[in-house]
Amino acid sequence: QKEVEQNSGPLSVPEGAIASLNCTYSDRGSQSFFWYRQYSGKSPELIMSIYSNGDKEDGRFTAQLNKASQYVSLLIRDSQPSDSATYLCAVAGNAGNNRKLIWGLGTSLAVNP
Amino acid sequence: GAVVSQHPSWVICKSGTSVKIECRSLDFQATTMFWYRQFPKQSLMLMATSNEGSKATYEQGVEKDKFLINHASLTLSTLTVTSAHPEDSSFYICSARTSGTGLNSPLHFGNGTRLTVT
Repeated sequence: QKEVEQNSGPLSVPEGAIASLNCTYSDRGSQSFFWYRQYSGKSPELIMSIYSNGDKEDGRFTAQLNKASQYVSLLIRDSQPSDSATYLCAVAGNAGNNRKLIWGLGTSLAVNP
Repeated sequence: GAVVSQHPSWVICKSGTSVKIECRSLDFQATTMFWYRQFPKQSLMLMATSNEGSKATYEQGVEKDKFLINHASLTLSTLTVTSAHPEDSSFYICSARTSGTGLNSPLHFGNGTRLTVT
């Protein structure tokens, strides 16, 4: 059973701090990793995608991938109250033609002003 | 780019009626679209994969006769919830990848449809 695990939170950080969100996955052959943000009552929106080991930065967001340890993380610098949402980690499976995404349950982030 | 439009955004229907949800890729062609369902405080659950010009592929436990999927063109997929019941009340979201970018490209989501069956 392929799995993606996230701490459900809530993770609470003060405004301006760094928020660190973590995700582990079970399928060692996974190739593609995504972070989505979902506000309450809304659909997910893509924040970052990462495919190779190391860091990938986009504005205040940095995704980190470590395939050997099977984890992917998302750092949010200078956290803002508007970052308060649920962050979903998704991993593309390695079996089958569809390479269906395996979703974590999400981590709830609260940024306190 | 990569805009997915979903309609309606919300619908309330009576038990026993059918509801159709449309999902359109506005600025790209999508040979494959994915239909998800999300219950409150739960994660996304893939219901089915919609394939243009062929039958949809349903996930285990999803009734194909209840959730009818039609993908008649490269920009439109529809999900019809037939004989809806209160337990079908949920948030339905479609998504698609841009064609030609490979299976590792991210999914782009529509805004979702909140279905309430009374």
